[in-house]
Amino acid sequence: DVHLLESGGGFVQPGGSLRLSCSASKFTFNSYAMNWVRQTPGKGLEWVSAISGDGGHTYYGDSVKGRFTISRDNSKNTLFLHMNNLRAEDTAVYFCAKGQGAATRYFDDWGQGTLVTVSS
Amino acid sequence: IVMTQSPATLSVFPGEGATLSCRASQSVGTNLAWYQHQPGQAPRLLIYAASTRATGIPARFSGSGSGTEFTLTISSLQSEDFAVYYCQQYDNWPHEYTFGQGTKLEIK
Repeated sequence: DVHLLESGGGFVQPGGSLRLSCSASKFTFNSYAMNWVRQTPGKGLEWVSAISGDGGHTYYGDSVKGRFTISRDNSKNTLFLHMNNLRAEDTAVYFCAKGQGAATRYFDDWGQGTLVTVSS
Repeated sequence: IVMTQSPATLSVFPGEGATLSCRASQSVGTNLAWYQHQPGQAPRLLIYAASTRATGIPARFSGSGSGTEFTLTISSLQSEDFAVYYCQQYDNWPHEYTFGQGTKLEIK
């Protein structure tokens, strides 16, 4: 079975930065697009960002554009999310989600998430 | 594209069936997926392309609809089926993906 394990969440003050990681295994990592999806407290799911299998194409939701950067290291089967200028509304559980193919239409495997709390 | 799910909460007896609805603010064709999410666990893909069950998903889960109106039907609810269900559109992939706000399916 596909395995996705997020790490790097924690407590950060507004304006701060954080880097999330997602370690992937049990599939050919560089053949699949990868994504970050978040769940804010008491609310539903919000797609954050996507990256193509080769890392050459990246996409962002409007709420994080210009502040977050997605990247991947295919030699280490790892996905990253660099988050800058964090705001209280970025507080959420962040899930790593695998796209169903080279480009994402839907998310066919997910990690269990890592919690990011932005507060002063 | 805004996705609206109804009802917000659905109370059903185990063994009964449940019908969950999802409406899109504009047509998404059949570019729609359904997910199940148990608190503290990874979300699970149930349905894609509006009506195709994902690998390993039991036949009691079925999806239907196209355009702006979609339905997830669960027949004969099992204890493990009580969870939150989300619909998600991907009509404008890879630039936009939006989820509904979820329907909580609870034991009556």
